[in-house]
Amino acid sequence: AQKITQTQPGMFVQEKEAVTLDCTYDTSDPSYGLFWYKQPSSGEMIFLIYQGSYDQQNATEGRYSLNFQKARKSANLVISASQLGDSAMYFCAMSAVNTGNQFYFGTGTSLTVIP
Amino acid sequence: NAGVTQTPKFQVLKTGQSMTLQCAQDMNHEYMSWYRQDPGMGLRLIHYSVGAGITDQGEVPNGYNVSRSTTEDFPLRLLSAAPSQTSVYFCASSYSASGSPTDTQYFGPGTRLTVL
Repeated sequence: AQKITQTQPGMFVQEKEAVTLDCTYDTSDPSYGLFWYKQPSSGEMIFLIYQGSYDQQNATEGRYSLNFQKARKSANLVISASQLGDSAMYFCAMSAVNTGNQFYFGTGTSLTVIP
Repeated sequence: NAGVTQTPKFQVLKTGQSMTLQCAQDMNHEYMSWYRQDPGMGLRLIHYSVGAGITDQGEVPNGYNVSRSTTEDFPLRLLSAAPSQTSVYFCASSYSASGSPTDTQYFGPGTRLTVL
């Protein structure tokens, strides 16, 4: 069975600093995808970044990058130059071929950016 | 392009009442799904569909029914509401249902349901 673990219930970061949100996963499927979503206080789920299990390079999207360490089964989200608008819940998710590409979500990390 | 839309945004029900949460997407996506979000538990899959006429159960299907008569619409029915179904419900869709783990799911704005 697929499992996603986010061990940081809450994180604080100073504005303009970088922050890393941890995510570990467990799957026996060699073909899978890892995703990060942001959920601000308004409640919507916003897609941030994606990494495929066969991708050689770490994914980047603007200030977001995904630190993918396949052997350690970790897919940490790095946010550079934090902004006040980055304060939100962040969810890691995984899909895998052997489970019909259903999404499995972690329990989330609450990030607060301090001015 | 409206993306994924959900109605209503908020709903209060009494125990035993039934209702339908509406979900529609205008992106011609094959895959659609329903999740519930409870505090401290992330999002859990209720039901999903890989195309019109095809649905299947997810992790927490009990108490919910779905159907998919068109590509665009994927309603979720609560048959007899219970307080344990108080939650935030999200509908999501992705392009392909053909077996790629790389497809991003795009979410609707959510429906906050309270069952008294």
